[in-house]
Amino acid sequence: DAGVIQSPRHEVTEMGQEVTLRCKPISGHDYLFWYRQTMMRGLELLIYFNNNVPIDDSGMPEDRFSAKMPNASFSTLKIQPSEPRDSAVYFCASSQFRDTLSEQYFGPGTRLTVT
Amino acid sequence: DAKTTQPNSMESNEEEPVHLPCNHSTISGTDYIHWYRQLPSQGPEYVIHGLTSNVNNRMASLAIAEDRKSSTLILHRATLRDAAVYYCILKSGGYQKVTFGTGTKLQVIP
Repeated sequence: DAGVIQSPRHEVTEMGQEVTLRCKPISGHDYLFWYRQTMMRGLELLIYFNNNVPIDDSGMPEDRFSAKMPNASFSTLKIQPSEPRDSAVYFCASSQFRDTLSEQYFGPGTRLTVT
Repeated sequence: DAKTTQPNSMESNEEEPVHLPCNHSTISGTDYIHWYRQLPSQGPEYVIHGLTSNVNNRMASLAIAEDRKSSTLILHRATLRDAAVYYCILKSGGYQKVTFGTGTKLQVIP
């Protein structure tokens, strides 16, 4: 398996522009997570899905952020409009429910820079 | 969420064992102890997990105190590739959400 795939790997955009980050989870995994990592705040969970349904979006910072999972093999995280404080590395992770374990597999991340 | 406390950083010499401590005094009976690590410029990766008994796998060992208020991740022979941030996380059995703390940054000295 290729693991969790994220695109793009790097994104540089200007303030006010729309940004879309993409994620393809590992086939057969029923959970998908979006995280954001910055030096100041560390690794934060933004939202997670189970069987394509959002379960907990309490970490989404504000209405400018939205996430969708139209099918089991694709998810997007959209920021509109983007701001310089959104600059961070965004990770997507997936897992398969297995009671006590359910380890999360992370993608390589998308480094977003908003100027 | 129950909280974990880890040292900000640790150093180890290459080829020597490393013991990474984690305190979790408010752990509940259903919380499992999970460890992840994040290599530079990569996403975190699972290392090991346990409930009450000590656990071993190909990457590391996990020693859990009898009262479960602390645990130690043991790397038996540190290599330069083990330089990473190590996160200790508490996770309830069937619950999927995990909270990453600040972790311990491990530096391995050649």
